[in-house]
Amino acid sequence: KNQVEQSPQSLIILEGKNCTLQCNYTVSPFSNLRWYKQDTGRGPVSLTIMTFSENTKSNGRYTATLDADTKQSSLHITASQLSDSASYICVVSALRGNAGNMLTFGGGTRLMVKP
Amino acid sequence: DGGITQSPKYLFRKEGQNVTLSCEQNLNHDAMYWYRQDPGQGLRLIYYSQIVNDFQKGDIAEGYSVSREKKESFPLTVTSAQKNPTAFYLCASSANGAALSTDTQYFGPGTRLTVL
Repeated sequence: KNQVEQSPQSLIILEGKNCTLQCNYTVSPFSNLRWYKQDTGRGPVSLTIMTFSENTKSNGRYTATLDADTKQSSLHITASQLSDSASYICVVSALRGNAGNMLTFGGGTRLMVKP
Repeated sequence: DGGITQSPKYLFRKEGQNVTLSCEQNLNHDAMYWYRQDPGQGLRLIYYSQIVNDFQKGDIAEGYSVSREKKESFPLTVTSAQKNPTAFYLCASSANGAALSTDTQYFGPGTRLTVL
């Protein structure tokens, strides 16, 4: 069964500090991995997408890495801001299947940035 | 929220009542999706539609129904048969219904349904 596990479940950091969120997956055959940011009470917004051949991708202060061998990804946030407070969701796509099993969503990491 | 609107934002329902959640998109996307989000869990797919007048069940379709009569609209009805309907419901769309694994999904702002 395809699974996506994220850690930690929640994290509190001080404004200006860096942090790293983890995502481990067992999705096969692998197509791509996305990180989404979800503000409280809102829909998720895509941050990055990485395919099998990509090791790292940046979007401003967000940098995602992918190790397809160990099936792990991380999202690094640099110089955190109060607006970074949100849930971060890792989503892994399988190469084939119907929509019911093609996308597997992690449970998310809830990040709180304090002043 | 990328041109996808959901209404209402908050919805309260008495047990035994059916309720319909609205989802509209002006992105000219072929595919639309309904997800349910519960605290600490990943999004779970309820129904999806790759093209107008066609839709398929997702992982947790029991107690829900949908229609796709227009490209822009994909309403979700939560029926009284759904045993635990209190949740946050998210609608999404993507451009190409035939490229489910590679197309980015754009999400609406969500509807929080509470059953009293």
